[in-house]
Amino acid sequence: AQKITQTQPGMFVQEKEAVTLDCTYDTSDQSYGLFWYKQPSSGEMIFLIYQGSYDEQNATEGRYSLNFQKARKSANLVISASQLGDSAMYFCAMREPYNAGNMLTFGGGTRLMVKP
Amino acid sequence: DTGVSQNPRHKITKRGQNVTFRCDPISEHNRLYWYRQTLGQGPEFLTYFQNEAQLEKSRLLSDRFSAERPKGSFSTLEIQRTEQGDSAMYLCASSSFSPSGTIDNEQFFGPGTRLTVL
Repeated sequence: AQKITQTQPGMFVQEKEAVTLDCTYDTSDQSYGLFWYKQPSSGEMIFLIYQGSYDEQNATEGRYSLNFQKARKSANLVISASQLGDSAMYFCAMREPYNAGNMLTFGGGTRLMVKP
Repeated sequence: DTGVSQNPRHKITKRGQNVTFRCDPISEHNRLYWYRQTLGQGPEFLTYFQNEAQLEKSRLLSDRFSAERPKGSFSTLEIQRTEQGDSAMYLCASSSFSPSGTIDNEQFFGPGTRLTVL
């Protein structure tokens, strides 16, 4: 069974500073995908970044980067230069192997609060 | 706007009533997913369709729940004889999948339907 663990229920960060949100996962599959989604108070899940298990380089998307440490089974999200609009819930998720249903398993989330 | 849409956005019902939610995916997407999210938790997978075929159902999907995707376009999720424990946000997502091509990486989510069972 797959499992995603996000150990930080809530995080504060000062505006313009960088923040790291932790995510560890557990799987016996060799082929999997890791995702981060942002969920503002409006409720919609917004895709941020994706890392494939065979990708050798860490994924980056603008101010978002994923610190992928395969041996440790961790996929931490780094947000650089935090903005007030970054305040939201952040979810780490894992996708089952591509030849299965591609459904996502989510962690419990981390609430990020950006202070002005 | 050509994103995923869900209706209604909010539904309040009394215990024992039936409710139905609708999801309209991105038009070219052949996969459609339903997730449930309770307060303070991450979304949990319920079921998914590839075109009109329902290919997987979670154990969370009791026999009071039924989902359809006629003609492989929009989908409906019906809950019969609602219980207070059904109160949650119901999220729909869609993606484009090609077995012989690029693996689809991203599921696009709708705004969700928040169900409150009194």
